Amino acid sequence: EAGVTQFPSHSVIEKGQTVTLRCDPISGHDNLYWYRRVMGKEIKFLLHFVKESKQDESGMPNNRFLAERTGGTYSTLKVQPAELEDSGVYFCASRSDGDRYGYTFGSGTRLTVV
Amino acid sequence: AQTVTQSQPEMSVQEAETVTLSCTYDTSESDYYLFWYKQPPSRQMILVIRQEAYKQQNATENRFSVNFQKAAKSFSLKISDSQLGDAAMYFCAYRSNTGNQFYFGTGTSLTVIP
Repeated sequence: EAGVTQFPSHSVIEKGQTVTLRCDPISGHDNLYWYRRVMGKEIKFLLHFVKESKQDESGMPNNRFLAERTGGTYSTLKVQPAELEDSGVYFCASRSDGDRYGYTFGSGTRLTVV
Repeated sequence: AQTVTQSQPEMSVQEAETVTLSCTYDTSESDYYLFWYKQPPSRQMILVIRQEAYKQQNATENRFSVNFQKAAKSFSLKISDSQLGDAAMYFCAYRSNTGNQFYFGTGTSLTVIP
């Protein structure tokens, strides 16, 4: 079974530019989560999709962040315009509805805003 | 709000020795789950061990075991017979029984010395 795939693995952009991160969950996993780790700090929840619907987006920092999951498959997280404080590692995780514990995380996308 | 604290940013252990990583948490809930996740460099985060709060018995997975002290809200991870492949960032995490969101600590970077 393929794992959760995130790309790019690294991205360096200038302040003010736009970046789109992508997450491909495990096939059949209805639940998809985005988390972020700012350097040296804890990993924080951003949002949760169930299929294509946003179940919980309480962790989204501001309206410069837009997450989508069209068709309930892969998800994108767009940052526009990027600010220096957006730098960090963005993790995606997916879970099957029938498996309460089976969260599978991706390797993360390291975003650096300069 | 739930918080998870890992007070050891970095730890090192000699190969074949034992190391204990500390984690404390704060919650007003009585039913929850605690986890230790491991992230090797540039690789996906994987589950090491899980503990249900209602279980008094400490969880064990091969060389990994926890010391769960519910009253003290402490959840430490012990790695026995450390191996080079154990080198990674370790994250302690909390999840409510009724919620989907993880609350993570800041992580402990473990180095294994040959």
